[in-house]
Amino acid sequence: KNEVEQSPQNLTAQEGEFITINCSYSVGISALHWLQQHPGGGIVSLFMLSSGKKKHGRLIATINIQEKHSSLHITASHPRDSAVYICAVNGGNQFYFGTGTSLTVIP
Amino acid sequence: GAGVSQTPSNKVTEKGKYVELRCDPISGHTALYWYRQSLGQGPEFLIYFQGTGAADDSGLPNDRFFAVRPEGSVSTLKIQRTERGDSAVYLCASSLAGRGNEQFFGPGTRLTVL
Repeated sequence: KNEVEQSPQNLTAQEGEFITINCSYSVGISALHWLQQHPGGGIVSLFMLSSGKKKHGRLIATINIQEKHSSLHITASHPRDSAVYICAVNGGNQFYFGTGTSLTVIP
Repeated sequence: GAGVSQTPSNKVTEKGKYVELRCDPISGHTALYWYRQSLGQGPEFLIYFQGTGAADDSGLPNDRFFAVRPEGSVSTLKIQRTERGDSAVYLCASSLAGRGNEQFFGPGTRLTVL
């Protein structure tokens, strides 16, 4: 059983489409992170949030603490957004990762 | 400023050998984390340092794995008697203070055990 579940596992979109990636977790958390991992392994932290909503450029992250659910949205998607998006949570003294959503944006 | 760096970027070794992987965190970050990522999987927590001490080493898979951070900055992950199953990307991250803070990841070290 995974403490963090993401959906979908794989996603292919046309350039310009609005994209949503979902994350559900089963533990109490102090913070939730959205990470981006490009081929080759480098990981970049996109957002850290504990409530509400954050926006950075074309990326929006929301979290609903009561429902233990977060979404990552990408507006006007672009091929350079192609990457694996990973949801991770700080739960107590542990840090749990989802298995990632592989996004491919086709020109 | 400089981000988290890891060396080497790639390491190929033979089964049974000893390896050391190095992580240089962002200057001033007191918290440092090691993760392991197998192909097609999300990262898996190994160990967390706060300063020089290991605050949580519950993710280390067995006693062949050990990590140190003697001066509270650079950390070394040490793997003894490597096994083929140890092959993975080993990721290091650092954050300004404790676990509730944003983590900044290094590029990883890809370890291949033949």
